Amino acid sequence: GEDVEQSLFLSVREGDSSVINCTYTDSSSTYLYWYKQEPGAGLQLLTYIFSNMDMKQDQRLTVLLNKKDKHLSLRIADTQTGDSAIYFCAENTGRRALTFGSGTRLQVQP
Amino acid sequence: DVKVTQSSRYLVKRTGEKVFLECVQDMDHENMFWYRQDPGLGLRLIYFSYDVKMKEKGDIPEGYSVSREKKERFSLILESASTNQTSMYLCASKSRHLLTGELFFGEGSRLTVL
Repeated sequence: GEDVEQSLFLSVREGDSSVINCTYTDSSSTYLYWYKQEPGAGLQLLTYIFSNMDMKQDQRLTVLLNKKDKHLSLRIADTQTGDSAIYFCAENTGRRALTFGSGTRLQVQP
Repeated sequence: DVKVTQSSRYLVKRTGEKVFLECVQDMDHENMFWYRQDPGLGLRLIYFSYDVKMKEKGDIPEGYSVSREKKERFSLILESASTNQTSMYLCASKSRHLLTGELFFGEGSRLTVL
């Protein structure tokens, strides 16, 4: 079945790197996504990666995809207090809607 | 930019009341979705629609129904609200023509059932 897993909480100090991990189970996923949810708001797409890629970099964000282990990670360099939010990974298997993980709450301490 | 608007940000209802949550998108997207978000459980799909008057059940449709009479509007209905339906409800839309397939979300409707 479809099941996307993430750890629930991560705390880092301002200026450090943050790494948020995700595992998914459907090897047919075509795209994988990272969404960000700030307090009291909906989800906004942060970045995505196509399944035939291993890595994607976008300014402070680096996405790594290990298809063999069905593992996706999001690295945020030089983490700022404005990065405090809940981060969701999601997969697109081509069926219906996206399947989301439980979300990782990132707390950035000054 | 795509805009998905959920008409009510916060609602408080009593057990047994009928509740309507409205969602409108302005980018002519074919697909629309309702999720509920609960701490530790992430987003769970309630219903979705891929065309006007078409609907399909998601993973947790029990206690909910939907209506899609116009392309831009997708309504979630709780026929008789119960306390276990207290949650954040998120509406989303996507274009079937967008290869990357990402969803665009509204700001959410936080429902409390007393």
